[in-house]
Amino acid sequence: GAVVSQHPSWVICKSGTSVKIECRSLDFQATTMFWYRQFPKQSLMLMATSNEGSKATYEQGVEKDKFLINHASLTLSTLTVTSAHPEDSSFYICSARGLDSTDTQYFGPGTRLTVL
Amino acid sequence: RKEVEQDPGPFNVPEGATVAFNCTYSNSASQSFFWYRQDCRKEPKLLMSVYSSGNEDGRFTAQLNRASQYISLLIRDSKLSDSATYLCVVHYGPGKLIFGQGTTLQVKP
Repeated sequence: GAVVSQHPSWVICKSGTSVKIECRSLDFQATTMFWYRQFPKQSLMLMATSNEGSKATYEQGVEKDKFLINHASLTLSTLTVTSAHPEDSSFYICSARGLDSTDTQYFGPGTRLTVL
Repeated sequence: RKEVEQDPGPFNVPEGATVAFNCTYSNSASQSFFWYRQDCRKEPKLLMSVYSSGNEDGRFTAQLNRASQYISLLIRDSKLSDSATYLCVVHYGPGKLIFGQGTTLQVKP
């Protein structure tokens, strides 16, 4: 099956610093990648949709200047949380959709961010 | 009203029990439906797709009622390893998945 990796798996940082999270499709090319956020005991919430070579589309209420997304290749998308604050602490999960453009999304293992 | 609603539970059942989860969705234009399983601190994993005709995969049966905008998941002969959170997921647009809050299942020995 299709494999999606994320790096790092967890990160602890000080308030005010920026954190970059990588999402890679390992054995397939992903035209579209999605970034989700999940707070404890809550559902996954879609933050943005990232298409290779174009600007990301952000969901309502998600600040595009705070959550910078880059999708420079068909196998890599990055999410940078700029000037992170404790309220940004969450589980960030990416998913990727293959070139066959079916509804199936393959999820990465997630990155747990803790901002002190 | 939430786009996808689930009873968060938890459902505590003994091994071998049959348990059913329900989910309702608000957008009648929804195209595809899924059940995902999420273990604690892990990413969600696709359990099964849900079709109008109903579908079965071993001990798991999923059903969709478009008229009532209702999805169900039935687990027969529960195993300890079935303990997890089950997410009802609705596909709305180009790649857009909407996740329910999830229903937590605890299977006890």
